Amino acid sequence: QKEVEQNSGPLSVPEGAIASLNCTYSDRVSQSFFWYRQYSGKSPELIMSIYSNGDKEDGRFTAQLNKASQYVSLLIRDSQPSDSATYLCAASYGNKLVFGAGTILRVKS
Amino acid sequence: DVKVTQSSRYLVKRTGEKVFLECVQDMDHENMFWYRQDPGLGLRLIYFSYDVKMKEKGDIPEGYSVSREKKERFSLILESASTNQTSMYLCASSLPGDRFDTQYFGPGTRLTVL
Repeated sequence: QKEVEQNSGPLSVPEGAIASLNCTYSDRVSQSFFWYRQYSGKSPELIMSIYSNGDKEDGRFTAQLNKASQYVSLLIRDSQPSDSATYLCAASYGNKLVFGAGTILRVKS
Repeated sequence: DVKVTQSSRYLVKRTGEKVFLECVQDMDHENMFWYRQDPGLGLRLIYFSYDVKMKEKGDIPEGYSVSREKKERFSLILESASTNQTSMYLCASSLPGDRFDTQYFGPGTRLTVL
């Protein structure tokens, strides 16, 4: 069974702080990893994708991948109240994705 | 921009009814997917299709069927709706050969079965 695990939260951070979201996956076959943001009542929206070990930065977002530890993380710098949402981690297996259950992030102003 | 649309945002049906959920994408993607999303369970794959008239079962296909007669359209069918099929249904599409297998989601259909 291929699994992606996330802490459900909620993770609460003050406005302007760094939010750190973590995810582990069970199958070493997985090649690509994704972070989706989902606002309440809306569909998931892709934020970041990462393929290689190390860090990938896009604006306030940094994705980190460690394939040896089977660990993916998302850092959000200068967190804003508009970042409050559920963040879904996903791992690819062939042309399918397996999703974690999501971490709820709350940014307090 | 990739656009994935779903036929209804909200749907209320009665137990035993046959329900059709439609999904259309405009980016010529070969792969299309149907998920359901329930609190605490995340997204679970029901069916996917990698070409016209091709389909494969996902993790929870029981009680569902699908149809893909045209490349841009993928339909999910609940043959006889039951209350445990009340859920948010999400359609997604992706382009095979895309290095990241990125999936793009439609707005979702919130189905309530009474």
